[in-house]
Amino acid sequence: KAGVTQTPRYLIKTRGQQVTLSCSPISGHRSVSWYQQTPGQGLQFLFEYFSETQRNKGNFPGRFSGRQFSNSRSEMNVSTLELGDSALYLCASSPAAGKGQPQHFGDGTRLSIL
Amino acid sequence: DQQVKQNSPSLSVQEGRISILNCDYTNSMFDYFLWYKKYPAEGPTFLISISSIKDKNEDGRFTVFLNKSAKHLSLHIVPSQPGDSAVYFCAASGAGSYQLTFGKGTKLSVIP
Repeated sequence: KAGVTQTPRYLIKTRGQQVTLSCSPISGHRSVSWYQQTPGQGLQFLFEYFSETQRNKGNFPGRFSGRQFSNSRSEMNVSTLELGDSALYLCASSPAAGKGQPQHFGDGTRLSIL
Repeated sequence: DQQVKQNSPSLSVQEGRISILNCDYTNSMFDYFLWYKKYPAEGPTFLISISSIKDKNEDGRFTVFLNKSAKHLSLHIVPSQPGDSAVYFCAASGAGSYQLTFGKGTKLSVIP
């Protein structure tokens, strides 16, 4: 069974640009979550989508947005990039609503802002 | 305000011995706890989880213990192997949400 696939793996952007990251969940998984990992803050929750609806949002500015498509694939977008947005962005998927089902992570997109 | 804390940034253990990784939480609404292992340049890999209705869950060499009154959980790895060397993250969720709150991780080194 294929795992969570994130593209691209690496990305270099400059301040002020915008970026779109993509995530394909495990087949059959309908919940997709996004996390940001930085050395200082660790892993922080960005948002979670289920059936194309955002169910939860973390404490990030409005420059961070996302969406989910009918096939459960998800994208996240960051506009007006800042140096502090340099991080590893991780996507995770889960089968469905309900507890007791762990999230499975992709290998992430490493975003570097120059 | 760190709701999930892993107070030991690193831990070294001899191969074959027990590794014990600890995690404390402050939010009493958390009802589902997970451990993930992470190698460099890879995403976190799910190891084991426990619901708040249990106090122990085992899966092979991995056992997670939950002490709700102390708001503490621990991961035991027996016996430890060099391939277990990685960063281990404790995570928690609650109130029907999939949002995971992570600790900052503990780097485990298993010495051959």
